[in-house]
Formats: sequence, structure tokens, C-alpha cells
Amino acid sequence: QPVLTQPPSASASLGASVTLTCTLSSDYSEYNVDWYQQRPGKGPRFVMRVGTGGIVGSKGDGIPDRFSVLGSGLNRYLTINNIQEEDESDYHCGADHGSGSSFVWVFGGGTTLTVL
Amino acid sequence: EVHLVESGGGLVQPGGSLKLSCGGSGFIFSGSAMHWVRQASGKGLEWVGRIRSKANNYATTYAASVKGRFTISRDDSKNTAYLQMNSLKTEDTAVYYCASRRWSTVTTLQNYWGQGSLVTVSS
Repeated sequence: QPVLTQPPSASASLGASVTLTCTLSSDYSEYNVDWYQQRPGKGPRFVMRVGTGGIVGSKGDGIPDRFSVLGSGLNRYLTINNIQEEDESDYHCGADHGSGSSFVWVFGGGTTLTVL
Repeated sequence: EVHLVESGGGLVQPGGSLKLSCGGSGFIFSGSAMHWVRQASGKGLEWVGRIRSKANNYATTYAASVKGRFTISRDDSKNTAYLQMNSLKTEDTAVYYCASRRWSTVTTLQNYWGQGSLVTVSS
């Protein structure tokens, strides 16, 4: 099954842009990855799915246009433009692996985004 | 508006049992797979298991760390999923989230999460 790697922290100034990275383990370069936002004390919220061709399907409910994704090689990126205070959150990436009785849902360790 | 609400968490001794519930509204509960995901304090997300929809025979799958100890079930008439946890260990201490997943189209995933329920396993 894939291993997803995320840097533990990132920071950006109010109104600036930031790109978060989720790296798939080798041999899994074709996998799609889901991004989740988790505000302090809240449950995760689906942001969107990203593959090598960019977004797969639609954004999650209420996700602003400031959020976008790209995929390249083993990396799946989440970019937030014009960062707002409410974007300060943990961002997790996740991926499905297998089907039926062999299904697993794996997650990266998460990146804490601090808005300066 | 979509709501997923977990309940039933609390303090339990090692070796004990606990049953969590997850009630859903505002989405097609019966057509959704229901997952449980946990998060230990300060840690990342860990998938616990899932139960698929009736169309997929309510099939269940579990993470290796809980297989044989945890059981997921659902009652579509009540829009509720359950997580029965037996033989609890201290390392099961975490906030437990339920999450729904349903493919509304071939490429579009509908994925909703609850606010979590804290389970503490301690003597």
C-alpha cells in the first residue's frame, strides 16, 4: 500500500499564497490523493481529489475558489491563494488502496498551516 | 445541510468494551459507505474500517490493528452506523470520527465527516 509523506508544518502571511505537498511512495505515481482540512477541534473536511492531471471530480461543499490542486510525478499539491485567517488548519492527504476485502484508506501525517 | 454526529465515547478500562454511534442526515446515507477513522492526540488520521452499502452487501473491512476486536454495523432505517469496540487497549485511545463516502458520478466523491467522539482507555 502507498505511504503518504507530508512536511509537519508550513506558514504563510495573510493574503499570500502557500503550496502544501503530499508525496506518494514510489510505485504509486498514478494514485489519486484526497486533501482534507481540519480546523482546530473540528473533524476533517473534504477539500478535493487530485491526480496527475489535476482535480478529479468536484471540490467539497463550500470550498472556495482560492483552493486549487496540481499533480506531478509522486507529488500532489494543494495551493491556497489569498490566505485568510480561517485557513489556519491541519491539512491531511489520503488515498484509497485496493478494493473489496483488501481495501485500505491511508493518510499522511498532516501539515499544520500557520497564518502569520 | 449535511450532519454526521458521533456519540457514545467515554472512559473505559483496558480489556473493556464500548459502542459508538454515528447518525447522519442531509445526504444519501443508505447509498454511502460508512467509515470510522481515529486520531490520537497530536497525531495523524488512522483508518479503522468501513461498512459498504446494501448494494455492496454491507461488506466490512478493517485495519489490521483492530481486526478481530472491532465490528462495524449499520441500520439504514435509522441513518446510523455503529462501531463496537471490544478488548480495548490503551493504544486505542483517540478521537473517533465517522465519515461517509459515496460516488455521485464516476469521478465525483461525496465525503462527509463528523465532529468526533473521544474514547479514552485507561485504568
